[in-house]
Amino acid sequence: KAGVTQTPRYLIKTRGQQVTLSCSPISGHRSVSWYQQTPGQGLQFLFEYFSETQRNKGNFPGRFSGRQFSNSRSEMNVSTLELGDSALYLCASSSKTGTTEAFFGQGTRLTVV
Amino acid sequence: QQPVQSPQAVILREGEDAVINCSSSKALYSVHWYRQKHGEAPVFLMILLKGGEQKGHEKISASFNEKKQQSSLYLTASQLSYSGTYFCGTDLGGGGNKLTFGTGTQLKVEL
Repeated sequence: KAGVTQTPRYLIKTRGQQVTLSCSPISGHRSVSWYQQTPGQGLQFLFEYFSETQRNKGNFPGRFSGRQFSNSRSEMNVSTLELGDSALYLCASSSKTGTTEAFFGQGTRLTVV
Repeated sequence: QQPVQSPQAVILREGEDAVINCSSSKALYSVHWYRQKHGEAPVFLMILLKGGEQKGHEKISASFNEKKQQSSLYLTASQLSYSGTYFCGTDLGGGGNKLTFGTGTQLKVEL
């Protein structure tokens, strides 16, 4: 079956702009988690959505937001971009919420200039 | 708080063994292990739960010491394909899929 699809793969934005990233989970999976990956901080949890509800939230400012649609697809939005937001944003799909295997997408590489 | 992984990097000859450690300052519900190759997505290896249950690939071996909040990943008879960065992710419980990942251990297997 198809894996986790993230679009776009690469993005260049200007400081102050906003951006929306998309994640389509594996068919049948209802949990989508988002992570930010940077060389300095590693993988940091942003939030998790399950059945259109935010289940968990990491320690990121309110500029980072997300949502999940009824078909389990999820979007992540970052407003008022800062240079420090440059990172690889990874989406992980799971069949359920709780202690279970996660399948990661290839990520969206965001560069803020 | 981020778990601490050791070593930060290791180079092996094919066929050698390695142990990667993950240590947390908080009581853990479960520990998750992933491997990420350069330019690729992290791939699931194993989950170790409080109480002794494990879920993962048959060829992967790991341990979880609940009292010490430590986990170790054992890579035996290493192959070139084992190269990559290994991450442990810790779960404090409370429901949901929320992992706090360590900074990773870079493993390189050479001929």
